[in-house]
Amino acid sequence: EAQVTQNPRYLITVTGKKLTVTCSQNMNHEYMSWYRQDPGLGLRQIYYSMNVEVTDKGDVPEGYKVSRKEKRNFPLILESPSPNQTSLYFCASSLAGTYNEQFFGPGTRLTVL
Amino acid sequence: KQEVTQIPAALSVPEGENLVLNCSFTDSAIYNLQWFRQDPGKGLTSLLLIQSSQREQTSGRLNASLDKSSGRSTLYIAASQPGDSATYLCAAGPGTGGTSYGKLTFGQGTILTVHP
Repeated sequence: EAQVTQNPRYLITVTGKKLTVTCSQNMNHEYMSWYRQDPGLGLRQIYYSMNVEVTDKGDVPEGYKVSRKEKRNFPLILESPSPNQTSLYFCASSLAGTYNEQFFGPGTRLTVL
Repeated sequence: KQEVTQIPAALSVPEGENLVLNCSFTDSAIYNLQWFRQDPGKGLTSLLLIQSSQREQTSGRLNASLDKSSGRSTLYIAASQPGDSATYLCAAGPGTGGTSYGKLTFGQGTILTVHP
């Protein structure tokens, strides 16, 4: 089944404890992206990757890191999480950039205490 | 910077009604516009993608139109059903200038409730 998977689905952590949210797709998509969704602010793009080793900032990249060493994986790294990063995170992928249909993962709900 | 607005923020209708959801965007030089559906606790599902060269796209009871000159898109849902209850989001795709090919800007969504 073609899908985008995220792990973990739920995470509660404390301020300053490094964490990684994984994202994987099995559709051989070149493009992957991370979003956060907050009440009243909607979905905002954090980082995106056009292909392996090619990443770029979205609208809200502060406090996040990404890497794209393999085509199928695009992990989101929070080196020192803070409470304002408490949010619902989504990973998405597509064949090529945002020119094509986007496929979203199920989301990761992160709480930073 | 692209800004996307969706009106209304919430809509409650009886089953069977035809309804229209609105989406407006400030920068009309977009390559495409996409409509998504989000169910509570779940990810987004792509409904329709309209390329800038198209004026509309249809999928079953859904029809989306795009008017770039006025910066507007509408999603028309015919004969609504309770199963259509969800949040509907529109997203403006990359600019035609080729510098934002990885960007997607979302509206805040319309929460639709269709009651039996």
